[in-house]
Amino acid sequence: SQTIHQWPATLVQPVGSPLSLECTVEGTSNPNLYWYRQAAGRGLQLLFYSIGIDQISSEVPQNLSASRPQDRQFILSSKKLLLSDSGFYLCAWKAGFSNSPLHFGNGTRLTVT
Amino acid sequence: AQTVTQSQPEMSVQEAETVTLSCTYDTSESDYYLFWYKQPPSRQMILVIRQEAYKQQNATENRFSVNFQKAAKSFSLKISDSQLGDAAMYFCAYSPDSGGGADGLTFGKGTHLIIQP
Repeated sequence: SQTIHQWPATLVQPVGSPLSLECTVEGTSNPNLYWYRQAAGRGLQLLFYSIGIDQISSEVPQNLSASRPQDRQFILSSKKLLLSDSGFYLCAWKAGFSNSPLHFGNGTRLTVT
Repeated sequence: AQTVTQSQPEMSVQEAETVTLSCTYDTSESDYYLFWYKQPPSRQMILVIRQEAYKQQNATENRFSVNFQKAAKSFSLKISDSQLGDAAMYFCAYSPDSGGGADGLTFGKGTHLIIQP
């Protein structure tokens, strides 16, 4: 069966520090991969998605970037964190079919101080 | 761009009763897919139910069922025999059929469901 791992679970970082959140998927090949951010009372906002290695699409301009160095690995990064980057970050994968649901990791709670 | 609207920020229901959560969406597509996700306090996102727009029959999963009204662009979730474990945030989500849905799902802002014992 397929599983998705996301880490770390929680992170407290000072403003201006770098960020690296990692996500890996097991049990499937060539998944579509996604990074969402969930702010309080605002639902889930899609940040990046990828349909293949080194194929990254950005949905919103921001202080963050994403990379997919391997088929089942998706990384969310920042060179310098802002206070506004605080939130709950969710990685997800889906199969390449329209009716395939998203399968989420357990999320990372990021607090920028 | 597609939008998903959940007009009820919070709902409360007595245990064992039935509750309906509302969702409307806006799209110009004719083929698409709709989902309900549950997010308990653990914040794990759990798929509850999904509906294909080309199907007229409403989807059902045990105590969870939907009322899909395509013309009205409405997709409500009915929870029967509510249980304490149903307490969570519920998100409605939309996925287009075009492009294989590669650009992910569009989510509503969620409804916080409270179960009164």
